[in-house]
Amino acid sequence: DTGVSQNPRHKITKRGQNVTFRCDPISEHNRLYWYRQTLGQGPEFLTYFQNEAQLEKSRLLSDRFSAERPKGSFSTLEIQRTEQGDSAMYLCASSPKRAEGQETQYFGPGTRLLVL
Amino acid sequence: AQTVTQSQPEMSVQEAETVTLSCTYDTSENNYYLFWYKQPPSRQMILVIRQEAYKQQNATENRFSVNFQKAAKSFSLKISDSQLGDTAMYFCAFPPNTDKLIFGTGTRLQVFP
Repeated sequence: DTGVSQNPRHKITKRGQNVTFRCDPISEHNRLYWYRQTLGQGPEFLTYFQNEAQLEKSRLLSDRFSAERPKGSFSTLEIQRTEQGDSAMYLCASSPKRAEGQETQYFGPGTRLLVL
Repeated sequence: AQTVTQSQPEMSVQEAETVTLSCTYDTSENNYYLFWYKQPPSRQMILVIRQEAYKQQNATENRFSVNFQKAAKSFSLKISDSQLGDTAMYFCAFPPNTDKLIFGTGTRLQVFP
């Protein structure tokens, strides 16, 4: 299966700890997106990359959040000093580069974070 | 502001029947794409169908079709011959002049035998 993969699938941590999530996009896709989904809500955009360049960040992405995509392949999302409000599903998606907004985004299974 | 509204938090339908999920959106753009995604319980989100706003013809994918009313900014999803496997959260989404998707709050669809 060559879909989007995410690791870990589940993460439980204590408040104040740092966590890092990984996303491996579909190999030929050069755009990669991170979304956050809380219970009962639709996903909310966090940030996206085109190759290794981070092109946009949401205001939801506080200073405690950082994302990288070295070499334009996999991406990591790190949350420092986690808070209980960070508990959510973190979704990664990828798409090939076309004109803006035209390409379907393919989603991974998500990483569910629980901050105690 | 660019928004997506799904006014039906929950819907239910009997197997083999037809159900329509509603979605309205707000944008000042003229050319854009609209998407319906399905998220089964504890499973990943997958694309159901997409519509290009400049096309007047409604998109169709097997049992799934849309009723796209551009002037009314309405984009409803019709599921025909509902199956138990259609049970899921359904999200309407669109990318207003950027690549990021804006999602509605979703409609939880339950298909009963």
